Amino acid sequence: GENVEQHPSTLSVQEGDSAVIKCTYSDSASNYFPWYKQELGKGPQLIIDIRSNVGEKKDQRIAVTLNKTAKHFSLHITETQPEDSAVYFCAARGGSEKLVFGKGTKLTVNP
Amino acid sequence: KAGVTQTPRYLIKTRGQQVTLSCSPISGHRSVSWYQQTPGQGLQFLFEYFSETQRNKGNFPGRFSGRQFSNSRSEMNVSTLELGDSALYLCASSVTPGQSGYTFGSGTRLTVV
Repeated sequence: GENVEQHPSTLSVQEGDSAVIKCTYSDSASNYFPWYKQELGKGPQLIIDIRSNVGEKKDQRIAVTLNKTAKHFSLHITETQPEDSAVYFCAARGGSEKLVFGKGTKLTVNP
Repeated sequence: KAGVTQTPRYLIKTRGQQVTLSCSPISGHRSVSWYQQTPGQGLQFLFEYFSETQRNKGNFPGRFSGRQFSNSRSEMNVSTLELGDSALYLCASSVTPGQSGYTFGSGTRLTVV
């Protein structure tokens, strides 16, 4: 079945710097790739998503890129702020239609 | 509009007992998925329901079961609880299966002692 690998598991940046989180997936039939942000005590919240017919999508300071050939996708956060500190999860939906998650990246933005 | 509501928020049970968790999806959402979240394993897919039918199931033992009612509300049940079942159980809803944009609830924190 689908397997999603996410790196790094922890990431610490200075406020204003950029942060990049990378994921790879195994199922070539995967066609939907969302990213979620989870703050302490809350459920994951969808922050951006991309479909397999698009290579890049941007929403203000957040962007996601997809390389279908290499089967990897990345989340880019520019001009990071302390409120960006959270755990970020990538996910992929493949032929089974299950949404499979990576193990998460704990992002810390230092003021 | 109201989000996904999970009850209870916290639960403490003893090994061997059973537990039932509840999830009310966003109004108009007919698909409900359940995930188990633990520090070591991340979010693991349990099952997905649509129109009262289980569409997909993850790799969990038969002690984990679920159902969906005609109003789209869903419950999951864990029987013969083990210490390893301690986790945050998350429910997510969407309008239809396979549709983008799952909305998650805040979860039920289950502790088995």
